[in-house]
Amino acid sequence: DTGVSQDPRHKITKRGQNVTFRCDPISEHNRLYWYRQTLGQGPEFLTYFQNEAQLEKSRLLSDRFSAERPKGSFSTLEIQHTEQGDSAMYLCASRMGLNTDTQYFGPGTRLTVL
Amino acid sequence: AQTVTQSQPEMSVQEAETVTLSCTYDTSESDYYLFWYKQPPSRQMILVIRQEAYKQQNATENRFSVNFQKAAKSFSLKISDSQLGDAAMYFCAYRSLYGQNFVFGPGTRLSVLP
Repeated sequence: DTGVSQDPRHKITKRGQNVTFRCDPISEHNRLYWYRQTLGQGPEFLTYFQNEAQLEKSRLLSDRFSAERPKGSFSTLEIQHTEQGDSAMYLCASRMGLNTDTQYFGPGTRLTVL
Repeated sequence: AQTVTQSQPEMSVQEAETVTLSCTYDTSESDYYLFWYKQPPSRQMILVIRQEAYKQQNATENRFSVNFQKAAKSFSLKISDSQLGDAAMYFCAYRSLYGQNFVFGPGTRLSVLP
């Protein structure tokens, strides 16, 4: 266990529904990342927070995706009007913020869109 | 934009033997970080080893070592005395010195044969 938790671990939804995932990073980590990982591929960067500020977003993050980190602690990732192509593992990671440190990953939320 | 390539989708090694996983990357930057992450089946991704590009000395962590060839933009991982617990997906990743975005390769699935 790396200390980063994600909830739920699995989510099955029907196309068109909205879903929300939660990530709780390691408490002293001020950087938080969201990634998407499809089967057999490496994680793809979605977005990044420094404290409560969302500083970078990937082109992969369409308008249907929104992420928040309201108090600089936990973060949520919401997908509206889900599509079958959204089916993937959504990973959260956090890090302290020093240039020499590294990310600690959560277990991920596996989303299946029917 | 930086890219990371892992040309070996799958590798296998006999228990107690040595195996080398390949990684190449493309960047125009001179200072950056390189990482190897391990993702066991249904478990969280964890850091295996990290290398700062400005350090000429190759990083080593117990049975894991890297061969960092900056001019060739190559960053291979050597696992010595392979153990059954080493079986996992291994991802090579890149991060700019002052950037926040981690770029991952597609991964290599390592099987360890008893």
